[in-house]
Amino acid sequence: QQPVQSPQAVILREGEDAVINCSSSKALYSVHWYRQKHGEAPVFLMILLKGGEQKGHEKISASFNEKKQQSSLYLTASQLSYSGTYFCGTEINDQAGTALIFGKGTTLSVSS
Amino acid sequence: GAVVSQHPSRVICKSGTSVKIECRSLDFQATTMFWYRQFPKQSLMLMATSNEGSKATYEQGVEKDKFLINHASLTLSTLTVTSAHPEDSSFYICSARWRVGYTFGSGTRLTVV
Repeated sequence: QQPVQSPQAVILREGEDAVINCSSSKALYSVHWYRQKHGEAPVFLMILLKGGEQKGHEKISASFNEKKQQSSLYLTASQLSYSGTYFCGTEINDQAGTALIFGKGTTLSVSS
Repeated sequence: GAVVSQHPSRVICKSGTSVKIECRSLDFQATTMFWYRQFPKQSLMLMATSNEGSKATYEQGVEKDKFLINHASLTLSTLTVTSAHPEDSSFYICSARWRVGYTFGSGTRLTVV
């Protein structure tokens, strides 16, 4: 049930672009993206709620292809502050209700 | 925005003792809270879902007698790690649903020596 992220790691120079992918074997109704710095709690980036939706925050944007059950996070003109581990989250429904589960993460390292 | 306050941020305890971690929703009522555990360089793994006034639901492989969860009010959920051992050392994070998303506490770094 855990979403699958790729790549596992990305190394960039400032100003370069990156794409992080997230896919699921189950139908997706929403995709949540977070960034986590070492030793800190994850920080919310954006949520995509329906197929075809694209959202952006500064130079970070994301798309959601409901049919393909996948989402992609786009980081353009990367900055040093973009370094961290990016997680995509998808919601599961079980006996407890709805909960958010995460992929294994993609570690992004941006250097000057 | 919705804020979840988590305490303590760091705790060191001796093997065999118990540790309680608190999560409070500060400006909203959280009928459901979630507890995650994260080992170094790994993902956040959902441990359990707690609903106010009822028993928590644990994910497969999580020992309910070891990780006691109490959600006695709409603003407070607690996780107690009982008889802690070094393998329980980890980063524990709580979360609550807020509108269509989720808001996270700042996490608790537990070290068992």
